[in-house]
Amino acid sequence: GAGVSQTPSNKVTEKGKYVELRCDPISGHTALYWYRQSLGQGPEFLIYFQGTGAADDSGLPNDRFFAVRPEGSVSTLKIQRTERGDSAVYLCASSRGLDGDTQYFGPGTRLTVL
Amino acid sequence: GQSLEQPSEVTAVEGAIVQINCTYQTSGFYGLSWYQQHDGGAPTFLSYNALDGLEETGRFSSFLSRSDSYGYLLLQELQMKDSASYFCAVSGDSWGKLQFGAGTQVVVTP
Repeated sequence: GAGVSQTPSNKVTEKGKYVELRCDPISGHTALYWYRQSLGQGPEFLIYFQGTGAADDSGLPNDRFFAVRPEGSVSTLKIQRTERGDSAVYLCASSRGLDGDTQYFGPGTRLTVL
Repeated sequence: GQSLEQPSEVTAVEGAIVQINCTYQTSGFYGLSWYQQHDGGAPTFLSYNALDGLEETGRFSSFLSRSDSYGYLLLQELQMKDSASYFCAVSGDSWGKLQFGAGTQVVVTP
């Protein structure tokens, strides 16, 4: 595809459940980023990958959040024991991996924890 | 602490010029970016300033003063489709980690 894609577009789960959110970056982009955005706020950085490795995971709020990118392309954000406060739109972005490079965002996954 | 400040809302008429200011306080600095986001949509890149001065891209221009920790986005010849939220974002701690402001809602009226 031409752009960043994310699945699912919407996810409703119950408190305490485990969820996985998937991101397919633009082909050839080596850097991949995860953010989350609450209503009326700017995106909040979670983690970014350069290739397969996490270059900066300082934004992950706690150890319930984990992300992988095993082959340097698709990434999965995993949230264990979900809490109501995890409800947000989770955005993924990718870039060529250079300083100052444009980050291209996907449409996001809206996560609702009941 | 680290923070970015921008106005919450700006209203202007079609054809007008709007300036959105952004002041930042971060531990490091690689550059200042601007993103546009329509309701329900994804953020889309508008501009990036790593050095002091003005960058112009069509109707949009962006300015940076590193010594003042300040930048602005200038929207000229406003159109109805420019109604959206605009975010400034600083890459500070590491070049890939963008810290976003809370956003400025621009409302364009006929």
